[in-house]
Amino acid sequence: GEDVEQSLFLSVREGDSSVINCTYTDSSSTYLYWYKQEPGAGLQLLTYIFSNMDMKQDQRLTVLLNKKDKHLSLRIADTQTGDSAIYFCAERIGGFKTIFGAGTRLFVKA
Amino acid sequence: NAGVTQTPKFRVLKTGQSMTLLCAQDMNHEYMYWYRQDPGMGLRLIHYSVGEGTTAKGEVPDGYNVSRLKKQNFLLGLESAAPSQTSVYFCASNHPLGQGTDRASYNEQFFGPGTRLTVL
Repeated sequence: GEDVEQSLFLSVREGDSSVINCTYTDSSSTYLYWYKQEPGAGLQLLTYIFSNMDMKQDQRLTVLLNKKDKHLSLRIADTQTGDSAIYFCAERIGGFKTIFGAGTRLFVKA
Repeated sequence: NAGVTQTPKFRVLKTGQSMTLLCAQDMNHEYMYWYRQDPGMGLRLIHYSVGEGTTAKGEVPDGYNVSRLKKQNFLLGLESAAPSQTSVYFCASNHPLGQGTDRASYNEQFFGPGTRLTVL
């Protein structure tokens, strides 16, 4: 079946890099996403990668996609306290369906 | 642009009561969705709509009904609330893939701020 898995918690020190990992099961996914949810708010798209790419860089964010292993990661360089949030991995499959992981709560210690 | 808005933000119900959650978007999106978010389970799709007047079941539709009478609104109804429906409910919307702006080309979903519902 369709499933997206990610670890629930990650704690890093301010200034360090954070790496959030995700695995997915559906090989037909076209786009993979990272959404960010801040306390009391809805999800906002942080970045995405098309399934025929293996890396995408956007300022402090680096997305790596290993299609063979169905593994997606998000690296945040120079993590700041403002990066504390829940990060959701998601994959788009079919015409419109998006499957979300359970979310990884990132704690950034000052 | 207000984006996606949801009302109410919070609600407490007793078992058996009914209520309707309202979602509104001003981006002329065709697709709209209702999700519920529970700890450790991510977002689960309840119902969705691909256009005005059409709705379909998602992953967890039981106990909920929806209506999309106007393109900009998507209503989620609970006819007889149960404690298992205690959750945070999110509405989202987007264009069909490849239509609209560049952001639609990768099918970004736009989310509302959520409704926190407690059923006692």
